[in-house]
Amino acid sequence: QKEVEQDPGPLSVPEGAIVSLNCTYSNSAFQYFMWYRQYSRKGPELLMYTYSSGNKEDGRFTAQVDKSSKYISLFIRDSQPSDSATYLCAMTVNTNAGKSTFGDGTTLTVKP
Amino acid sequence: NAGVTQTPKFRVLKTGQSMTLLCAQDMNHEYMYWYRQDPGMGLRLIHYSVGEGTTAKGEVPDGYNVSRLKKQNFLLGLESAAPSQTSVYFCASSPRSWEQYFGPGTRLTVT
Repeated sequence: QKEVEQDPGPLSVPEGAIVSLNCTYSNSAFQYFMWYRQYSRKGPELLMYTYSSGNKEDGRFTAQVDKSSKYISLFIRDSQPSDSATYLCAMTVNTNAGKSTFGDGTTLTVKP
Repeated sequence: NAGVTQTPKFRVLKTGQSMTLLCAQDMNHEYMYWYRQDPGMGLRLIHYSVGEGTTAKGEVPDGYNVSRLKKQNFLLGLESAAPSQTSVYFCASSPRSWEQYFGPGTRLTVT
């Protein structure tokens, strides 16, 4: 079983929809939880990170971490066609030489 | 400030040939990583480095070697390429645990 499991998708939604992207994990030592966005044929870019449990909001994006359930989510409000990309969750412990464990990604398409 | 750059962008190799992929970063980051990305398999860590002169194995190191002679450069070598090494290779650098900066990738095909 993988350490990080991500809802596989693909996901297709109409413009303006609320999108929920989810990951579960098994390693209770993870402290930082990140979301990367990867456009087609590009490298991933860090979208948001959260330390420990709780919520973090950045514009239309909200990252949520529930350590008790080992479950993280990324919500996108008022989704736009420019949000169409693959979203990767990632997790790490602070002392792990920066090594992160990545989910396999969920591909999102937002249709105008 | 170019960030993370990778050379080359594309390459086609025949089985058994060798090549070196170059990664360069201008952000003075200590940590650097090489990943491969295959369809449906996410990012898999090949090798990484925690500083100049250091290297360590990641999740899928077999068939690859690395060197970090200068802090800003991280080289990935394939000594004898195999079709199973057909993939997209990403380099990343990081100043801290939760923040990795990725290059644009190298698309490698081994025939």
